[in-house]
Amino acid sequence: AQSVTQLDSQVPVFEEAPVELRCNYSSSVSVYLFWYVQYPNQGLQLLLKYLSGSTLVKGINGFEAEFNKSQTSFHLRKPSVHISDTAEYFCAVSGEGSYIPTFGRGTSLIVHP
Amino acid sequence: GAGVSQSPSNKVTEKGKDVELRCDPISGHTALYWYRQSLGQGLEFLIYFQGNSAPDKSGLPSDRFSAERTGGSVSTLTIQRTQQEDSAVYLCASSQRLAGQGGTQYFGPGTRLLVL
Repeated sequence: AQSVTQLDSQVPVFEEAPVELRCNYSSSVSVYLFWYVQYPNQGLQLLLKYLSGSTLVKGINGFEAEFNKSQTSFHLRKPSVHISDTAEYFCAVSGEGSYIPTFGRGTSLIVHP
Repeated sequence: GAGVSQSPSNKVTEKGKDVELRCDPISGHTALYWYRQSLGQGLEFLIYFQGNSAPDKSGLPSDRFSAERTGGSVSTLTIQRTQQEDSAVYLCASSQRLAGQGGTQYFGPGTRLLVL
């Protein structure tokens, strides 16, 4: 079984400030981890994913995430956010060999001018 | 290339009516998923198709929900005798590789269903 917890339902931040969106997971097997972003009235699109190798993963739009196996976390970060980053962010986990990923409830990032 | 498309984009129906939601996946993607997204909730898995194999229907919430995939491509999700609690955004996604092999899911824009 696998599960994902996104600890914050909403994160307000001012433009150009740094941000961290938290994600913790549990799984009995090795995992692949994903962050997806959903802009208003759109489907989800991939920001980045961790498969193996370097624990620091860089994605699109200046986002990065760090896989921490001991803390079972995969937090998403950006050093300086823009208004256009306002969106819903979903963390997802998939156990090795599984075909159905488990998604977190999402974190709404709200960037204020 | 073309992404995943879904139709209609919005659907308003009356309680008790049947609705059909359509998904056109990316060409060549063998895996197709349906999810339901309710306000403030994450993505709720509904059903999964892989090639010509029998679908995994374990996420369907009731027997009013069914789905089919014709010719390994287009999929239709049918909700019979709709209830107000069926109101949600229904998302379709397709992928080349399984998520458990590191595959990325490509999502359509969704169908917003409102049951009055």
